[in-house]
Amino acid sequence: EAGVTQFPSHSVIEKGQTVTLRCDPISGHDNLYWYRRVMGKEIKFLLHFVKESKQDESGMPNNRFLAERTGGTYSTLKVQPAELEDSGVYFCASSQNRQGPGETQYFGPGTRLLVL
Amino acid sequence: AQSVTQLGSHVSVSEGALVLLRCNYSSSVPPYLFWYVQYPNQGLQLLLKYTTGATLVKGINGFEAEFKKSETSFHLTKPSAHMSDAAEYFCAVSRYSSASKIIFGSGTRLSIRP
Repeated sequence: EAGVTQFPSHSVIEKGQTVTLRCDPISGHDNLYWYRRVMGKEIKFLLHFVKESKQDESGMPNNRFLAERTGGTYSTLKVQPAELEDSGVYFCASSQNRQGPGETQYFGPGTRLLVL
Repeated sequence: AQSVTQLGSHVSVSEGALVLLRCNYSSSVPPYLFWYVQYPNQGLQLLLKYTTGATLVKGINGFEAEFKKSETSFHLTKPSAHMSDAAEYFCAVSRYSSASKIIFGSGTRLSIRP
């Protein structure tokens, strides 16, 4: 079974440009999460989808970030326009929503974003 | 609110020595606790988790952690370090719900000396 995949693995863009990150969760997983690790800091939650609905977007830093999950399958995270402080590693995770409390979230390898 | 504190951003041990990575948490509700590991150029992998029941949790690769409510701790241990254990380790907590965001500590990078 394929794990969580993310594309691209790396992205280098200039300040003011737009970048779109993609996450493909494990097949059948209803929950999809986005997290971000800014250099040297902890991994922080951005938002949570249940199927195509946003369950919790309390971690989204500002309105330059837009996440979508059309059809409840893959998700995209768009940053427009990108700023220097957006640099970091963006992780996606998915879980089934059927295991009960404390179910495991499976993480992808991350997208390393560098804004120059 | 929940939070996680990992003591020591970098820990170095000799091969064959005990590994001890410290984690303390803060939570107003019963927590679920996790340890994740990130090997170089890879994603996060679950090492072990505590939800309910036995407070000593065994994970993959010989790691284990003990939930101590009175100390609000969830330290990770391994009796004998191996070179392949070199990685970054993250302690994390989530709320008592079926699907919930994870709150991570700042991570501890483990180095193994030959």
